Amino acid sequence: EIVLTQSPATLSLSPGQRATLSCRASHSVSDYLAWYQQKPGQAPRLLIYDASNRATGIPARFSGSGSATDFTLTISRLEPGDSAVYYCQQRANWPLTFGQGTKVEIK
Amino acid sequence: EVQLVESGGELVQPGGSLRVSCAASGFTFDAYALNWVRQAPGRGLEWVSTIRGDGGAAYYADSVQGRFTISRDNSRNTLYLQMNSLRAEDTALYYCAKSRTIAARLDAFDIWGRGTMVTVS
Repeated sequence: EIVLTQSPATLSLSPGQRATLSCRASHSVSDYLAWYQQKPGQAPRLLIYDASNRATGIPARFSGSGSATDFTLTISRLEPGDSAVYYCQQRANWPLTFGQGTKVEIK
Repeated sequence: EVQLVESGGELVQPGGSLRVSCAASGFTFDAYALNWVRQAPGRGLEWVSTIRGDGGAAYYADSVQGRFTISRDNSRNTLYLQMNSLRAEDTALYYCAKSRTIAARLDAFDIWGRGTMVTVS
């Protein structure tokens, strides 16, 4: 099983700041990594697929990078509505796995 | 509008069985694999199962293998999850999620339902 480790666990930043979230895989997943945003009481929403491709309707403030075992989700200018838990997910191999999540708090 | 709506979640006793459903609309149902993902209260996301668009292949997490069965009725645009021998640790919000790419098995999930709550107690 490919284990995904996200860091930090919590990120507390002010509006307008840049958020950098990390996801590290225990084995190479090539570029088969996705990022999701989950706000309280809501279903997850796909942000990024295949490491760097924005999903439909996702603002350009959200960007993904990385390959193999190290990946980054960057939110370039935080807005109050970005407060959420962010998860990474690999689709390189069964079982599909998620990271444990990074909570982004807006001060 | 592409939509997934889950139903059937309820309180069930340990050792019991339950079937949850997911009604789909707004896309070519049999072209896409579908998935179940669960989230225990206050916890992260856990992939449970995936079924191919034609229903010909299914995949399961080790935690549910042999107890859960995923199926689909392409004539009714509906996905199912039959859960047997339920345990307290199966308590979770069960989401139905659509695979992003036509004919893909391992994939990201681009459309999610709101979930249906299963409580085993």
